[in-house]
Amino acid sequence: DTAVSQTPKYLVTQMGNDKSIKCEQNLGHDTMYWYKQDSKKFLKIMFSYNNKELIINETVPNRFSPKSPDKAHLNLHINSLELGDSAVYFCASSQGPGGPVDTQYFGPGTRLTVL
Amino acid sequence: AQSVAQPEDQVNVAEGNPLTVKCTYSVSGNPYLFWYVQYPNRGLQFLLKYITGDNLVKGSYGFEAEFNKSQTSFHLKKPSALVSDSALYFCAVLISGGYNKLIFGAGTRLAVHP
Repeated sequence: DTAVSQTPKYLVTQMGNDKSIKCEQNLGHDTMYWYKQDSKKFLKIMFSYNNKELIINETVPNRFSPKSPDKAHLNLHINSLELGDSAVYFCASSQGPGGPVDTQYFGPGTRLTVL
Repeated sequence: AQSVAQPEDQVNVAEGNPLTVKCTYSVSGNPYLFWYVQYPNRGLQFLLKYITGDNLVKGSYGFEAEFNKSQTSFHLKKPSALVSDSALYFCAVLISGGYNKLIFGAGTRLAVHP
């Protein structure tokens, strides 16, 4: 049973296109996240949603728009893709804020390549 | 600013030898510290965390980490390395307070040689 799943695993597209990455978790968690891992493997949080409400937005360009239709899903839509968007995008989930024992569980990642 | 540092880009160890992957942190308040491992072309897997209590934390796959408040360190250790431990290891600190945000170190590549 996959706890946090993402689709697609690989995404290759042209500059200027619009693309979406989907994430689903079956852990019953309230909070979901998107992280970006760049070519140097550096990981940085982009967004976080708690119960479908945006709670973290780390100054990500407006071209990136997360959408959470329900607390088990957090999708990432990217408009007008640029070369610099090439990265691995990880989805994660956790029980939620308010307690120090919160452990985030990560999906397998989506490798986005913009040509 | 709250941050995590992993001073070594790469650690090389012979199979069967003990390994240590270093991590130091800078946070205000109590630190909540995590170790994750990333195998090639895979997602991050949770290894262990320190919240409070015993300074020695045991985790998955025989790994443990020692919290040292005076040295602001949280080094990852294993008594006997396996070739299959070769991967990228990330230390992270959890920033909490209305939301939970992980701040990651830059990662340390562990290479275990037969």
